[in-house]
Amino acid sequence: DIQMTQSPSSMSVSLGDTVTITCRASQDVGIYVNWFQQKPGKSPRRMIYRATNLADGVPSRFSGSRSGSDYSLTISSLESEDVADYHCLQYDEYPYTFGAGTKLELK
Amino acid sequence: EVQLVESGGGLVQPGRSLKLSCVASGFTFSNYGMNWIRQAPGKGLEWVAYISSGSSYIYYAETVKGRFTISRDNAKNTLYLQMTSLRSEDTALYYCAVGFAYWGQGTLVTVSS
Repeated sequence: DIQMTQSPSSMSVSLGDTVTITCRASQDVGIYVNWFQQKPGKSPRRMIYRATNLADGVPSRFSGSRSGSDYSLTISSLESEDVADYHCLQYDEYPYTFGAGTKLELK
Repeated sequence: EVQLVESGGGLVQPGRSLKLSCVASGFTFSNYGMNWIRQAPGKGLEWVAYISSGSSYIYYAETVKGRFTISRDNAKNTLYLQMTSLRSEDTALYYCAVGFAYWGQGTLVTVSS
């Protein structure tokens, strides 16, 4: 199975920060990576699809990038509503696999 | 508006069975592949199973293969997950999702004696 190694597992952040979360794929998954935001008690929300594409309604301060087998989600100028858990997913090959998640917490 | 409403969760003893349902609306259900994803309490997301639009292609996570069966009824706009031989480690909130763009609110399955 493809492993998605997500880092960091948690991050203490301040409003206005630029935040980057990374997932490293254990083998080539091409562009087939999604990023999800999940707030407490809520369902996940897709933020980025196909590694770099912003999902509908997602603020432009969110972006996705790829460098080789490393996939990153960047939040520029963090706002309070962005404090949440974030998950990556590879959907290039079954079984699909998620990263372990990153929890953003305010300092 | 796309809506996915899961149901069928509950408390069940180890070794027993449970069938989850997910009723879809707001899109042409028969045109889309569907996924089940679960999340154990306080843990990350785990993909469980996928079924293609016409049920021709079905895939499972190794952790549920042979115990869970995904199916769908396109006439009823409904996705199912039949779960058998349930274990404590199957305790989770189970979500259905169309592709991964839209998710339901989840239904909680608790496996405990």
